Amino acid sequence: SAVISQKPSRDICQRGTSLTIQCQVDSQVTMMFWYRQQPGQSLTLIATANQGSEATYESGFVIDKFPISRPNLTFSTLTVSNMSPEDSSIYLCSVSRTQGSGNTIYFGEGSWLTVV
Amino acid sequence: AQTVTQSQPEMSVQEAETVTLSCTYDTSESNYYLFWYKQPPSRQMILVIRQEAYKQQNATENRFSVNFQKAAKSFSLKISDSQLGDTAMYFCAFMKGGSNYKLTFGKGTLLTVNP
Repeated sequence: SAVISQKPSRDICQRGTSLTIQCQVDSQVTMMFWYRQQPGQSLTLIATANQGSEATYESGFVIDKFPISRPNLTFSTLTVSNMSPEDSSIYLCSVSRTQGSGNTIYFGEGSWLTVV
Repeated sequence: AQTVTQSQPEMSVQEAETVTLSCTYDTSESNYYLFWYKQPPSRQMILVIRQEAYKQQNATENRFSVNFQKAAKSFSLKISDSQLGDTAMYFCAFMKGGSNYKLTFGKGTLLTVNP
C-alpha cells in the first residue's frame, strides 16, 4: 500500500482567494495524480504530475486555475486559484504502486474545501 | 472512452448478512484493471479489492469478493457477514493497462448496514 498525507484536511476559504494543498508520499513515486470530488459526485481526474516536467491536465481543467508543482519524487502541491463556491469539493491526491503483475492506485485522506 | 455504471444509488443490508453491489463497464481495451473503493464518512478513499482483466479467477479479500464476468463486462462486489463499519459509499473504477493510470469511476452506491 502507500501512506499519503494531505494538508489541509479541511478548510473554509473566501471567494476570490487561492489555496494550496500539499501531498506527501511515504516513498518515491514517478507519477502523482490529483482528483476532484464535487458534493455528492464521483471522482474526476484533474491532472497527472510528473517530477521534472509540466503536469498533464484533463479536459476541462487548466493550469491557470489549478497550478501544480512536483519538486521531488515524494511531494506535490495543487493550488486552487481565484476560488468560487463551485470549487467547493474534496481534492484527493493519489499515487500508483506496483502490486503483483500490475498497478494499484492509492489515495490520500483528501482535502475538503468549502468556498464561501 | 471508458464508462462505468453503478445502477444502485443506495442499498441497505442487515448486519451479518450478505449484500452484492453491481457494476458494469464499457471498454474496447483487452488489458485493464477493475477496482472497488470504499469511502466512509471520513471521505478517505480506501481500496477494497482489485481485479486484473486477464485473470479468470475472481479476486477475494477476506469478507469481500468479486464476480468478474469479462464477456458481460460486469464486476459486482459481494460483502459477506456485513458489519456496521462497512457503511460507506462504494465506487467501482476502471483503469486501462499500460502506463496510463487514470481511473474512471462510477457514480457510487451508498451502502447502509443496519444493526
